[in-house]
Amino acid sequence: EIVLTQSPGTLSLSPGERATLSCRASQSVSSTYVAWYQHRPGQAPRLLIYGASSRATGIPDRFSGSGSGTDFTLTISRLEPEDFAVYYCQQYGSSSTFGQGTKVEIK
Amino acid sequence: QVQLVQSGAEVRKPGASVILSCKASGYTFISYYLHWVRQAPGQGLEWMGMIHPSGGSTTYPQNFQGRVTMTRDTSTNTVYMELSSLGSEDTAVYYCARTPRGNNYGPFDFWGQGTLVTVSS
Repeated sequence: EIVLTQSPGTLSLSPGERATLSCRASQSVSSTYVAWYQHRPGQAPRLLIYGASSRATGIPDRFSGSGSGTDFTLTISRLEPEDFAVYYCQQYGSSSTFGQGTKVEIK
Repeated sequence: QVQLVQSGAEVRKPGASVILSCKASGYTFISYYLHWVRQAPGQGLEWMGMIHPSGGSTTYPQNFQGRVTMTRDTSTNTVYMELSSLGSEDTAVYYCARTPRGNNYGPFDFWGQGTLVTVSS
């Protein structure tokens, strides 16, 4: 099973700041098969990025994804109030596994 | 529009089973994989397996094999997930989710609203 490790566990930032979230895989994953989700309390998760760098339908361009091999990154260029949430990476090339999540909280 | 509507909250005693449903609409039901994902309190997302509604084929990760069963009813565009031998660690919100056409293990582009299952004596 491919294990995904996200860092940091919590990111304390202010609105307007840049957020950089990391996801490291225990073995190489094709970038075709990496996704990122936003999860707000009481809501279903929302697909942000698939294929490591493609934005899902309706996702603002302040969200971007990058990476290859074992290291992947989600960047939020300027945090909006609605962006404070938990973010998960997922690999879906070999079965499906999620990272443990990064909470982006208001500083 | 694509919608996945899940059944309501459930309470079960340890050792019991629970069956959850997920009714799909707004797309061709038999053409897309449907998955179940859960989130225990304070924990992350955990993939529980998938079903292809066309032939009913299923894939479960090792940690759920023998305890989870996914089925579908093509006459009502509904998938079901049965989890048996419940323990307190199965207390969680359970989601169904869809993968886009041509994809199997992900990504999950549409999600149900979630169903809370509480296991308590």
